[in-house]
Order: sequence, then C-alpha cells, then structure tokens
Amino acid sequence: KQEVTQIPAALSVPEGENLVLNCSFTDSAIYNLQWFRQDPGKGLTSLLLIQSSQREQTSGRLNASLDKSSGRSTLYIAASQPGDSATYLCAVTYNTNAGKSTFGDGTTLTVKP
Amino acid sequence: GAVVSQHPSRVICKSGTSVKIECRSLDFQATTMFWYRQFPKQSLMLMATSNEGSKATYEQGVEKDKFLINHASLTLSTLTVTSAHPEDSSFYICSAARATGPSSGNTIYFGEGSWLTVV
Repeated sequence: KQEVTQIPAALSVPEGENLVLNCSFTDSAIYNLQWFRQDPGKGLTSLLLIQSSQREQTSGRLNASLDKSSGRSTLYIAASQPGDSATYLCAVTYNTNAGKSTFGDGTTLTVKP
Repeated sequence: GAVVSQHPSRVICKSGTSVKIECRSLDFQATTMFWYRQFPKQSLMLMATSNEGSKATYEQGVEKDKFLINHASLTLSTLTVTSAHPEDSSFYICSAARATGPSSGNTIYFGEGSWLTVV
C-alpha cells in the first residue's frame, strides 16, 4: 500500500522564521509530487509540482525538494508571514496508478505576528 | 491560470436531494479524471476513476449508486451525489490527466475543489 506521511501535523512559528515541512512516501516509483495549500473552508491551491526527474522547484519564498531514494520531500518556506498560515498538503502520483494520487494528512501551519 | 475548473466551488442542498459537481479540463482533453473526497481533519481519499466513454472505476467502500460519475466528453466529468445526507457533507476535488508526450506520460492537474453542505 502506498502511503504518504506528513510531519509535523501542526506547526506554530513566529513571523519571520524560516521553516521546513516534511513529506515522506513509501514507494519510490513516483511520477511526480505536488505541494498544495488549503485555507479553512477553501479549495486547494497548487504551490509547487516536482516531476520525478527533478530535485527541486522554487517559487518566490517557497522551495520544494525531492529525494526519491529516501522517499522524502521537503517544503521550505523562507521568512514566514501570517498570511502563510494554512494547511499544507503533499500529493504523490505514482507511475503504476495511471494518474491516481495519494495525499498526506497535511501540516497545519500557524505563523504568529 | 487554472487548467481544470470545478463548479460549483460551494453548494448547499437539502437532505434527500441530488447535487451535481462538474470537473472540466479547460484547454486539453482528459480521457481520465479522478474524484477525491476529504473527510473532516483527514486526508483526501480517492473515490473513483472517471473514464471517458466508459463506466467509472470505484474504490473499495465507495457506493457507486450514490456517487454517480459521468464522463461523457473528453473535457467534462460530473459527480452526482444522489439522495444526499448530512454525512455526505465534505470537500470534493477532481483531477485530470493531461498527456504530455509519448515518452513523458501524463501531467495531473487538480481542480480547486467543491464544498458540499447537506442540511
């Protein structure tokens, strides 16, 4: 069974701090990995997509890395802001599942002003 | 911009009625789409695989007669929640597979999701 785990489940940091969110997966034969943001009562916003051939992707203050051999991805947020407060989900799409994705449970981030 | 559009983003319906959620691929043809559901404080779980022109494939434990999926065209899949009950209240999201080339497989795009509240 393909599992995706996100640690920690919740994280609270002061504004301005750099932070790392973790996503681990049990099957290294992935097609791609995607990080999403979800605000309470809202939909999903795609943040970064990393293809299996890539090692990292960057967008503004966000950087996502991928290490297939160890089954891990990290989302790095630099200079966190209160507006970054949300739940962050990672989703792994596997080669063998023809496009099906497995989601982690998410990390709920609170950035305190 | 968004390449997969989901509508409505939010809907409230009465118990016993049916409600339809649409998932559209905006600028590509998607022979395969996927529907997920998010339970409170849990991860998104795959409900079914929607195949254009054929019956959907449901995951174990998902009632196919309650969650009707139709993929009548290459750009549209619909999820109809029939005889809705309050426990069907949830966040539903779709994804669509876009072919990116014979050697590179598919790229998956997600809609923004739909919040369903059954009262």
